[in-house]
Amino acid sequence: NAGVTQTPKFQVLKTGQSMTLQCAQDMNHNSMYWYRQDPGMGLRLIYYSASEGTTDKGEVPNGYNVSRLNKREFSLRLESAAPSQTSVYFCASSTGTSGSREQYFGPGTRLTVT
Amino acid sequence: SQQGEEDPQALSIQEGENATMNCSYKTSINNLQWYRQNSGRGLVHLILIRSNEREKHSGRLRVTLDTSKKSSSLLITASRAADTASYFCATDGERGGYQKVTFGIGTKLQVIP
Repeated sequence: NAGVTQTPKFQVLKTGQSMTLQCAQDMNHNSMYWYRQDPGMGLRLIYYSASEGTTDKGEVPNGYNVSRLNKREFSLRLESAAPSQTSVYFCASSTGTSGSREQYFGPGTRLTVT
Repeated sequence: SQQGEEDPQALSIQEGENATMNCSYKTSINNLQWYRQNSGRGLVHLILIRSNEREKHSGRLRVTLDTSKKSSSLLITASRAADTASYFCATDGERGGYQKVTFGIGTKLQVIP
């Protein structure tokens, strides 16, 4: 099993450009998450999808949109990138059942907006 | 806002020593988890402790939870150079729903060979 995969691994954008970060998991998990990690801030939840067909805002959703394409895939879109969105983005998944809270993380996408 | 705050923010020890990291949180929780992150990688789950548990062990890891003080500690015994990483606590709260987990800012551990 590949676990959680993310593409691309690195990306440089200019202010105002758009892009989509892709995430896929092969563990048949119900729930998927997008986080950003900034120095001194830890991980902050951007959006999550509790199950296929649902998405909800997290702590820092402004400037982002998400799509839960199917059970495996959860994408994050930046419509008009800003320097404040320079960060490392992590996708994660979990079973989504009350008995299991463990999240499995992808390797991350390092995004720089100039 | 962050729920958990780890202490210390950085820790440097010699190989073979024990490492203790602490996490404090603000509101009632259902579970508390600890994760490890190696440089440039995603987080890896280490251990989960439920709000009705006081102590849990997994290999060289020992986690304690004191809900009256809203704090947890992670002890790594007989540390190895490979334990060099950042460690995060994560909580899911009674009101937040089981889907949302809130991470702290982490403790950066360096184990010197």
